[in-house]
Amino acid sequence: GAVVSQHPSWVICKSGTSVKIECRSLDFQATTMFWYRQFPKQSLMLMATSNEGSKATYEQGVEKDKFLINHASLTLSTLTVTSAHPEDSSFYICSARGGRQGTYNEQFFGPGTRLTVL
Amino acid sequence: QKEVEQNSGPLSVPEGAIASLNCTYSDRGSQSFFWYRQYSGKSPELIMFIYSNGDKEDGRFTAQLNKASQYVSLLIRDSQPSDSATYLCAVKGYGQNFVFGPGTRLSVLP
Repeated sequence: GAVVSQHPSWVICKSGTSVKIECRSLDFQATTMFWYRQFPKQSLMLMATSNEGSKATYEQGVEKDKFLINHASLTLSTLTVTSAHPEDSSFYICSARGGRQGTYNEQFFGPGTRLTVL
Repeated sequence: QKEVEQNSGPLSVPEGAIASLNCTYSDRGSQSFFWYRQYSGKSPELIMFIYSNGDKEDGRFTAQLNKASQYVSLLIRDSQPSDSATYLCAVKGYGQNFVFGPGTRLSVLP
């Protein structure tokens, strides 16, 4: 159990376009979802934390107007990279934490989305 | 600021040896400790978690926690080339978010 999916797994887009990435918890209700970014050979960098039905909390240095996060339901969170630029090219990973025993104290990661902005 | 530190490596061990990965953390209030494995180009996958001082064994993996020293380690026995990956230590306090370390790159040589 505790499976998290992401879609798409990879995306290539032109500079200036917006890209939406979906993160779904498939077999549990995710009260909290996290969005990370990871550049090559670097560690995970937490971008934001979102709780269902409330605004996301962004980490310092992350532009909330550029990285729009919507956590509309207990199984779905979306990250939209607006007006993407080549420097936004990265590996975006979501994770989810549930509200029931067995899912609260762990983070379950999605498979990641590789974004390339030309 | 809560910090989690790991040696970046690479840590190279021969096949069949014991790999020892270390992690220290700054927040004494931390309660939960996790080890994730991340293969290149993939997302992290949970290997083990530990909440109490002492050792916890799962197959070839043993997690060791010493809260007094603010230290958690992961031992991998009978290391295999397939264990070659980056190992991330993560720490969580009650009601807090996870804090990840920078990861240690492990290379198991055939």
